[in-house]
Amino acid sequence: NAGVTQTPKFRVLKTGQSMTLLCAQDMNHEYMYWYRQDPGMGLRLIHYSVGEGTTAKGEVPDGYNVSRLKKQNFLLGLESAAPSQTSVYFCASRKAGPKNTGELFFGEGSRLTVL
Amino acid sequence: GDSVTQMEGPVTLSEEAFLTINCTYTATGYPSLFWYVQYPGEGLQLLLKATKADDKGSNKGFEATYRKETTSFHLEKGSVQVSDSAVYFCALRDDYKLSFGAGTTVTVRA
Repeated sequence: NAGVTQTPKFRVLKTGQSMTLLCAQDMNHEYMYWYRQDPGMGLRLIHYSVGEGTTAKGEVPDGYNVSRLKKQNFLLGLESAAPSQTSVYFCASRKAGPKNTGELFFGEGSRLTVL
Repeated sequence: GDSVTQMEGPVTLSEEAFLTINCTYTATGYPSLFWYVQYPGEGLQLLLKATKADDKGSNKGFEATYRKETTSFHLEKGSVQVSDSAVYFCALRDDYKLSFGAGTTVTVRA
């Protein structure tokens, strides 16, 4: 009954450090997403993937990279963290298909602070 | 691209009061529309959805009707409880993606 699992849940970085957030889903979903949530700005899409080995940019992709080597995993990387990347990051997934209305299943979030 | 705009908060209500959160959308077609809820310390979860004009989504006493003529999908609940305190997000499906509004924080006081 895991659904979407994000690790780590909390992390503090110094400016310039790198890190990777891991998202794992056990629902055999084709599509996966990374969003960031900032006060007053709702959720903004960073990158997404419509299948294993494919990724695409969302509305705020700069400073982030992603990889989808396995269907169940979607990794978000920060190569050189900046204070502007302090945020709460959410991973989500959903099933593909023409009859699917698009419901997303979310993880619990990863709170990242960049000093 | 397609987008949603929802009313700004925060909204503070007393228990048993009526709640309305406005949401309007801009889209070239007729996208599926959603309301998601985020309880403190948790991820978002689907509250209700509507896939075509005049559809009414409902769940946990909340309702929203997909109105094409006003491009709106307002969320309503007739009698709120303290447990309804959360952040509510309107969203629409745009191709592969969901676009979210800024969120409205609702606090219900006993």
